[in-house]
Amino acid sequence: AQSVTQLDSHVSVSEGTPVLLRCNYSSSYSPSLFWYVQHPNKGLQLLLKYTSAATLVKGINGFEAEFKKSETSFHLTKPSAHMSDAAEYFCVVSVPRGDTGRRALTFGSGTRLQVQP
Amino acid sequence: DTGVSQDPRHKITKRGQNVTFRCDPISEHNRLYWYRQTLGQGPEFLTYFQNEAQLEKSRLLSDRFSAERPKGSFSTLEIQRTEQGDSAMYLCASSLTRGDLSYEQYFGPGTRLTVT
Repeated sequence: AQSVTQLDSHVSVSEGTPVLLRCNYSSSYSPSLFWYVQHPNKGLQLLLKYTSAATLVKGINGFEAEFKKSETSFHLTKPSAHMSDAAEYFCVVSVPRGDTGRRALTFGSGTRLQVQP
Repeated sequence: DTGVSQDPRHKITKRGQNVTFRCDPISEHNRLYWYRQTLGQGPEFLTYFQNEAQLEKSRLLSDRFSAERPKGSFSTLEIQRTEQGDSAMYLCASSLTRGDLSYEQYFGPGTRLTVT
């Protein structure tokens, strides 16, 4: 079985300061890992993904994440927060389900990022 | 806009009524997924289709829930005899799978259901 733990339910930063959203995963298989962002009244948008290539993954809007197998972590970072980054962020682990062909997505409970002016 | 679309965006219904939601995936995507998201939680998998075949259903999907994808394009999710516990955001996602390669899922904006 796989699971994801987002260590902070809320993070508040000032505009222009770094962002760190923490995620730990558990998986019996070599996982694919994703970060999705959800703005109010909008669909989930993929920020970035790790699929066993480079461990440092760059995504959209200046976000990046580093896969650390030894720490089972996949933390999301951004050097400088912008007001438009305020949203809910979900860490997601994906592993294959051999019986149905589906890659099961397991979502964390989310981290709400607030950006103060 | 060529993304995943869902209709309606909001639905308020009385307990005991039936509701139906529609999802239109990205046109070339052969897989379609339904998720449910309750307040303060991440989405939870409900069911998925490859083309028109429903290949998997979660234990969250009680007998009151049924989903179809008759022509392998759009999908409907029906909830019969709604209960207050059904109040949630229902999300649809689609993805493309070719051979052993499966690409990321793209999500629609969701249908927010409120059962009074």
